[in-house]
Amino acid sequence: AQSVTQLDSHVSVSEGTPVLLRCNYSSSYSPSLFWYVQHPNKGLQLLLKYTSAATLVKGINGFEAEFKKSETSFHLTKPSAHMSDAAEYFCVVSDYTGFQKLVFGTGTRLLVSP
Amino acid sequence: DTEVTQTPKHLVMGMTNKKSLKCEQHMGHRAMYWYKQKAKKPPELMFVYSYEKLSINESVPSRFSPECPNSSLLNLHLHALQPEDSALYLCASSQGGEALKYFGPGTRLTVL
Repeated sequence: AQSVTQLDSHVSVSEGTPVLLRCNYSSSYSPSLFWYVQHPNKGLQLLLKYTSAATLVKGINGFEAEFKKSETSFHLTKPSAHMSDAAEYFCVVSDYTGFQKLVFGTGTRLLVSP
Repeated sequence: DTEVTQTPKHLVMGMTNKKSLKCEQHMGHRAMYWYKQKAKKPPELMFVYSYEKLSINESVPSRFSPECPNSSLLNLHLHALQPEDSALYLCASSQGGEALKYFGPGTRLTVL
C-alpha cells in the first residue's frame, strides 16, 4: 500500500527566507504525488502534482517540489516565504484505482514570522 | 464556475437528530467525494461516487448515508451520530483520472 511520511510536524521560518517541507513516500510502483495546502478553517488547495513526467514540478504561489526516486522523497520548497504561506501542508500519494483515492500524510504546520 | 460549494458551513446537532450536508458542483465532473477531517488530522476518504453510483465506501458506519441524486449534487445524510463524529466534512469533485483539484470549503459539524 502507498503511504507518505511528513518528517516535520511544524516548521518555522522568517518572512523572506527559504521554505523546505519534507516528505518521504512508500509505493510499490511509480506513484502520483501531490502537495496540498489548507489555510485555517478552509478547504484544501492543490499546490502541485507529480505524475511521472518531469522530476522537478512547479506549482502555484512559487512552490516547487522535486521527485527523487533514489531517496523516495518529494520535498516541497519555496525560495522566499511570505506571511500568507502560513498554513498546513499535506503531502499526498494517490492510490489510483480509476479515482483519486488519496492517502494523506499527517501534515506540516508552516509558521512564518515577520 | 470552477468551484465546489458546500452547505451549511456550520452544523450543530444532537445525537438523535437527522440532518443532511449538501455539496454542489457545475463543472461537469463525474466523480464526487466525501472526506472527513478531524481536528489537527489529515482528511480521510469516506465515499466516492462515479456517474452517480457509489464506487467506494471506506467502511463508513451506516449512520452516514451518502446520496448522489444527479451529476451535480452530492448529499450526506446524518442520523444518530456520536460526539466523535464531530469533524470537518469536505466534498470534492474530479473529472476522470485528473488530480483532485476541487475541494469545497467544508461543513464543520459538531455533535452534542
